[in-house]
Amino acid sequence: DAGITQSPRHKVTETGTPVTLRCHQTENHRYMYWYRQDPGHGLRLIHYSYGVKDTDKGEVSDGYSVSRSKTEDFLLTLESATSSQTSVYFCAIRDSLFNSPLHFGNGTRLTVT
Amino acid sequence: QQPVQSPQAVILREGEDAVINCSSSKALYSVHWYRQKHGEAPVFLMILLKGGEQKGHDKISASFNEKKQQSSLYLTASQLSYSGTYFCGTVNAGNNRKLIWGLGTSLAVNP
Repeated sequence: DAGITQSPRHKVTETGTPVTLRCHQTENHRYMYWYRQDPGHGLRLIHYSYGVKDTDKGEVSDGYSVSRSKTEDFLLTLESATSSQTSVYFCAIRDSLFNSPLHFGNGTRLTVT
Repeated sequence: QQPVQSPQAVILREGEDAVINCSSSKALYSVHWYRQKHGEAPVFLMILLKGGEQKGHDKISASFNEKKQQSSLYLTASQLSYSGTYFCGTVNAGNNRKLIWGLGTSLAVNP
C-alpha cells in the first residue's frame, strides 16, 4: 500500500473557526490532491499540487487554501469553516508518470456545527 | 466535462455478470477505474490508455473505445467482494494533471 496518511481522521468544529487538514506521504510522489466527497456529488477536486510550492485550484476551491512547503506534506486549510464544508476529505498522491494511478489516504470526516 | 456513468446502480446475484459504462464528451487521454467500499477510500483497479486497449484483473476487465470516448468495465462471475461503488476518472487530452470523476455506479452482489 502507498504510504499516505491523513490527519486527523475525524474532526468536529464550529462555524467560523479555521481548520487545517494534513496529508503526509512517504512515496516521494510529485502530485498531491485534495478531494471532498459528498453523497450525490462523487469526488470533487478542491486543490492539487504538482510540486513544492506549485499548486492549482480545482472545481470547488472557494473557502479553501493549500500549502506545500515539502514534498511529503500537503495541507488543506478551511479559512473560516461553514456547515456546507461538512464532508469527507480525501488526499491522493500520484507519481509523475502521466499514466500512473492515484493512491488515496483513508480520509478525514469533518463536521462543522 | 464530467464523464457520465451508467447504470447508476445495479444489483446482482453472486455469479452474474455486469457491465458499467463511462462516457465523455471530451477527447480522452486515459480512463481510470476505482472501487470504493462503504466507509473506505477508493482503490485503484486499472488504467486504460487511448489506443483501444483492453485490460484485465482477475475476473474484472475493461476496454476503452477512443472513437466513442467511452470505457466499459466488465465484471464476470461476480463475487460478494465486488460490492461497492465503482468510479471512472477521465484524463482529458491536453491536461494530464488531474482526473475528472464520474458520479459512480453502486454495485450490490447478493448471495
